[in-house]
Amino acid sequence: QVQLEESGPGLVKPSETLSLTCTVSGGSISPYYWSWIRQPPGRGLEWIGFISYSGSVTYNPSLQNRVTISVDTSKNRFSLNLRSVTAADTAIYYCARGAQPKISGWFDPWGQGTLVTVSS
Amino acid sequence: DIEMTQSPDSLAVSLGERATINCRSSQSLFYNSNNKDYFAWYQQKPGQPPKLLISWASTRESGVPDRFSGSGSGTDFTLTISSLQAEDVAVYYCQQYYSNPWTFGRGTKVEIK
Repeated sequence: QVQLEESGPGLVKPSETLSLTCTVSGGSISPYYWSWIRQPPGRGLEWIGFISYSGSVTYNPSLQNRVTISVDTSKNRFSLNLRSVTAADTAIYYCARGAQPKISGWFDPWGQGTLVTVSS
Repeated sequence: DIEMTQSPDSLAVSLGERATINCRSSQSLFYNSNNKDYFAWYQQKPGQPPKLLISWASTRESGVPDRFSGSGSGTDFTLTISSLQAEDVAVYYCQQYYSNPWTFGRGTKVEIK
């Protein structure tokens, strides 16, 4: 059974870069799509972007100027970089897999999530 | 962006009774080419990530109890819990995957009356 686990700093200073990694166990990166989704505390869900098993990316236009998602298939993991963060980027960050091979859009399974706080 | 509007924001239902959650999209999620609605429902319990319940508007995921059902097409969708159980207390989200950016509703909180 595939499991996802997010890792990275829980505290980031304003204007710096938020960096997270999602490690995939129990399955392969290929041939799925892999997403980052965030949830501000007590609020709803915002899709950030995805990367395919072949490395092609699609980002939410609202964040695309600040976001980079990359994949390391040799280590079965993918990563998120979000630049120039502000307090508005404080959220639980989830990684998630596309629910079916070779198609993006809906998500299953999800990682447990990691809270990232932006504060000086 | 496609806006997803859920209603109600919250509802309280007695154990064993029916719970109904609605979601409306700002544009049709139906693709004529494959006769599918690009729409999903998730359940999120406190302290947990969302769990996929239903995709393609009405296809229940493996392992999801059959008291959960999805219906609707185009712009109007419904999640029905036919007989509410204590373990169904959660926030439920709808999501469209018709076009980028994929967007979610704001959630509906289901509680026991």
